[in-house]
Amino acid sequence: DAGITQSPRHKVTETGTPVTLRCHQTENHRYMYWYRQDPGHGLRLIHYSYGVKDTDKGEVSDGYSVSRSKTEDFLLTLESATSSQTSVYFCAISGGAYTDTQYFGPGTRLTVL
Amino acid sequence: AQSVTQLGSHVSVSEGALVLLRCNYSSSVPPYLFWYVQYPNQGLQLLLKYTTGATLVKGINGFEAEFKKSETSFHLTKPSAHMSDAAEYFCAVSEKQGAQKLVFGQGTRLTINP
Repeated sequence: DAGITQSPRHKVTETGTPVTLRCHQTENHRYMYWYRQDPGHGLRLIHYSYGVKDTDKGEVSDGYSVSRSKTEDFLLTLESATSSQTSVYFCAISGGAYTDTQYFGPGTRLTVL
Repeated sequence: AQSVTQLGSHVSVSEGALVLLRCNYSSSVPPYLFWYVQYPNQGLQLLLKYTTGATLVKGINGFEAEFKKSETSFHLTKPSAHMSDAAEYFCAVSEKQGAQKLVFGQGTRLTINP
């Protein structure tokens, strides 16, 4: 299994509070991604990174920001959480010998009350 | 823009029966196609992928899929279902390797009846 960890694994927060989710990899892969998973929608790309300090938007980026100051860490921030951001968030990485394949972390379940 | 449609949000088969999960895609360029499996409360695990070359691809756990360009399909099959195959399955498409923007279908939940 790819060395990907996500923290926290579960979080409950209130509307309007800031939230930061962390993705950490030990594979030294170049590319990192954040997805959200909602029933009936599969997974949708929020943001991705193609190198340190290089990021770009995905399909559902509104209300989210990201940062990547080190190869191994990719942070997802909800500046002011809303109930519509209640979801399961997955980090993925790709690179190395198989840049065409993404490997997924275990996920973070976020509930915004 | 790319898109993926998985026909059937729930599929139920008997143990030992054929498993067929359908996936149709839309892409303006030659696609890269993937099937992932998700067990309860876990992340996604790659089952198989098609990038170039042979259109029939074999994956883990006895699954295989065939890329049919004329039908824009990438259906997933397994000859004989096992109880351990119960999970959610996602088909996904991307345009390229490197910084991929994977587009997923909505998922198909597979139930295996004893």
